[in-house]
Amino acid sequence: AQKITQTQPGMFVQEKEAVTLDCTYDTSDQSYGLFWYKQPSSGEMIFLIYQGSYDEQNATEGRYSLNFQKARKSANLVISASQLGDSAMYFCAMRFNAGNMLTFGGGTRLMVKP
Amino acid sequence: NAGVTQTPKFQVLKTGQSMTLQCAQDMNHNSMYWYRQDPGMGLRLIYYSASEGTTDKGEVPNGYNVSRLNKREFSLRLESAAPSQTSVYFCASSNPLGLAGVGEQYFGPGTRLTVT
Repeated sequence: AQKITQTQPGMFVQEKEAVTLDCTYDTSDQSYGLFWYKQPSSGEMIFLIYQGSYDEQNATEGRYSLNFQKARKSANLVISASQLGDSAMYFCAMRFNAGNMLTFGGGTRLMVKP
Repeated sequence: NAGVTQTPKFQVLKTGQSMTLQCAQDMNHNSMYWYRQDPGMGLRLIYYSASEGTTDKGEVPNGYNVSRLNKREFSLRLESAAPSQTSVYFCASSNPLGLAGVGEQYFGPGTRLTVT
């Protein structure tokens, strides 16, 4: 069975510093995709970044980058130059096989300190 | 474009009552999904519809039914609500990987349901 684990329930980071949010996954599939979503206090789910299992380069989207280590089955999200608006819950999710269904991790609450 | 819309935003039910949560998307996506999010947890898939005319169970389907009314609309029905169904319900939609984008799912704003 596929499983996503986020081991950090909550994290603090100082404004303008970088922060890494951990995500490990467990699957025997060769083809899968990893997503990160942000959920602010308002509740909506916002898609941030994607990494495919066959992508050789780590994904980047603006201040977000994904540290993808396939052998270790980890896909950590790096947020550079944190801003107060980055305070939110962050969820890692995996799409496995050819389907489009997502399995979500339990989330990490990030709090950015001024 | 409104994206994914859900109604209602909030609902309080008594145990045993029934209700239908409505979801619509205007992005011409093939696939639609219903998730629930319990406090302090990630989302869990209830049902999904890979394309118009098909529906399949997800991780936690018990106590729910769905209808894919057309390509735009996907409804979730609670036939006899129970306190364990108190949760926030999210609808989402996507296109398959390779059709457009990376198959990312777009979410509605959620429905906060309380069953007393």
